[in-house]
Amino acid sequence: AQSVTQLGSHVSVSEGALVLLRCNYSSSVPPYLFWYVQYPNQGLQLLLKYTSAATLVKGINGFEAEFKKSETSFHLTKPSAHMSDAAEYFCAVRGDSSYKLIFGSGTRLLVRP
Amino acid sequence: EAGVVQSPRYKIIEKKQPVAFWCNPISGHNTLYWYLQNLGQGPELLIRYENEEAVDDSQLPKDRFSAERLKGVDSTLKIQPAELGDSAVYLCASSQRTQSSANEQFFGPGTRLTVL
Repeated sequence: AQSVTQLGSHVSVSEGALVLLRCNYSSSVPPYLFWYVQYPNQGLQLLLKYTSAATLVKGINGFEAEFKKSETSFHLTKPSAHMSDAAEYFCAVRGDSSYKLIFGSGTRLLVRP
Repeated sequence: EAGVVQSPRYKIIEKKQPVAFWCNPISGHNTLYWYLQNLGQGPELLIRYENEEAVDDSQLPKDRFSAERLKGVDSTLKIQPAELGDSAVYLCASSQRTQSSANEQFFGPGTRLTVL
């Protein structure tokens, strides 16, 4: 069985500051891991995905995430926050043989001017 | 390329009334998903279709929810009768079966349902 825990329902950073959104997963099989972003009144958009090819994954809009098996983590980072990054971010896990995505509860990123 | 289309975007109904949501997936995507997203939570899978076959409906409350995907393209999700607790966003997603196991799911904008 798979599960995802996102620490911090809200994260607030200043514009230009480092963004760090935390995600820990539990999986009995090698996982596929995803980060999605959701802007208000919109659907989810894929930021990046880990598929075992490389532990450091680069995504769109300057985001990246590092898969750490020993820590069962897949934290999302961005060196410098922009106002346009304000949104809800979801981490998700999927087992190798399953199409079912298991989502975390989400982290709302607030960017202060 | 057009994305996943859902309608209506918003729906307000009174409890005990029926309601239906429609989804048009990305052209060529054989897998279609319906998710339920409650306020402040991540989406939860309700049902998954491979072409016209519902291959995973274990999380669909079958006493009041039903879904269909005729001809393996568009899909409708119905609730009858609606309850107050059904107020949520209903998301549709689609994906294409490829050699890669990490088949990306593309999401529509969702239908926000409010039951009064």
